[in-house]
Amino acid sequence: RKEVEQDPGPFNVPEGATVAFNCTYSNSASQSFFWYRQDCRKEPKLLMSVYSSGNEDGRFTAQLNRASQYISLLIRDSKLSDSATYLCVVYTGGFKTIFGAGTRLFVKA
Amino acid sequence: ETGVTQSPTHLIKTRGQQVTLRCSSQSGHNTVSWYQQALGQGPQFIFQYYREEENGRGNFPPRFSGLQFPNYSSELNVNALELDDSALYLCASSTRTSGRPYEQYFGPGTRLTVT
Repeated sequence: RKEVEQDPGPFNVPEGATVAFNCTYSNSASQSFFWYRQDCRKEPKLLMSVYSSGNEDGRFTAQLNRASQYISLLIRDSKLSDSATYLCVVYTGGFKTIFGAGTRLFVKA
Repeated sequence: ETGVTQSPTHLIKTRGQQVTLRCSSQSGHNTVSWYQQALGQGPQFIFQYYREEENGRGNFPPRFSGLQFPNYSSELNVNALELDDSALYLCASSTRTSGRPYEQYFGPGTRLTVT
């Protein structure tokens, strides 16, 4: 079992749609959680940090469920510019950060 | 822009050669982490440097080594290159002095091709 697993995707949604991604992690001692977005052939960019049960930033909402060991990212009112790969990231301690394989999102007009 | 820079942007090497990749961290950041990202995969953690010492390592062999300098910039060295080392190498900087020590900011990466 991979340490961090994400929905395989790709997700194809129309503009204005709401889309949700899920991510599960195996290490119950994991301490910090993040969502990054990565555009094609570019570097990952921090989208949201998830330090407690969850947080919201505009159209983006991240939730953390420690009991079930999963993190989710909800995007409301999808824009064309949201098309990217979304990476779930877990800090497990011991100075080690684990990235999921990513979920590709295509938003179409 | 994150302020993290990497050089070179692209590199082509042959199997068995050695390569050095460089990274300058964002101003005020004292920690540098290196990642390898193969096509279609998420970044894989190689190691992290803090105060010029390696203090965390992923599942990479010893031929992957690094350095951090007093100005917090860093190098990644890979010896005896193999075809499977072809990937995007990403450097990320962060700081342990802020309230959020594990937010990492990535450079644009170095794309290494081994032939």
